[in-house]
Amino acid sequence: DAKTTQPNSMESNEEEPVHLPCNHSTISGTDYIHWYRQLPSQGPEYVIHGLTSNVNNRMASLAIAEDRKSSTLILHRATLRDAAVYYCIGGSNTGNQFYFGTGTSLTVIP
Amino acid sequence: SQTIHQWPATLVQPVGSPLSLECTVEGTSNPNLYWYRQAAGRGLQLLFYSVGIGQISSEVPQNLSASRPQDRQFILSSKKLLLSDSGFYLCAGQGITYNSPLHFGNGTRLTVT
Repeated sequence: DAKTTQPNSMESNEEEPVHLPCNHSTISGTDYIHWYRQLPSQGPEYVIHGLTSNVNNRMASLAIAEDRKSSTLILHRATLRDAAVYYCIGGSNTGNQFYFGTGTSLTVIP
Repeated sequence: SQTIHQWPATLVQPVGSPLSLECTVEGTSNPNLYWYRQAAGRGLQLLFYSVGIGQISSEVPQNLSASRPQDRQFILSSKKLLLSDSGFYLCAGQGITYNSPLHFGNGTRLTVT
């Protein structure tokens, strides 16, 4: 499985940008990188995903390293509602297995 | 868009009792389906996944089993629950388009007493 490594926790001030890193050194060439976030007592919510190029959507941006061994989720202006556990996945579309790591718990300080 | 329905939201069961959790999918055909378990304060552990009716792959040997009797129905079962089966159970679905993201249900919090 494509294992990922993320910091256990991070803090950010409200209205400031947040960069959440993820290492996925064992990812295969066809595996997409997915990011999800989870609020307490809820199922994870899809945030963004990409293969090689940087990706943007209404929620966040995803910056993927050229060697694809790491990526960074960027929240451009953190809000209190962004406080959650963020999971990075080196998804296996060929094997249909999505393995979640322990994630990064983001605290947003008002 | 895809919607995952799970029930019940919470469940308290005694040790040794059977379990049946149901997940249904709305909004897509032929989805890949997944069961995850999350222990308190921990990450998500992949338990089973299915790419079609009757096709189940098990990730972790355990006291649980899964079945997919219909295209949009995924069931997690146990004949006899153990204390260690307590946790937050999540069903997820993935569309058939290559690289589709996962959509999760709201989960079932199971407490085995």
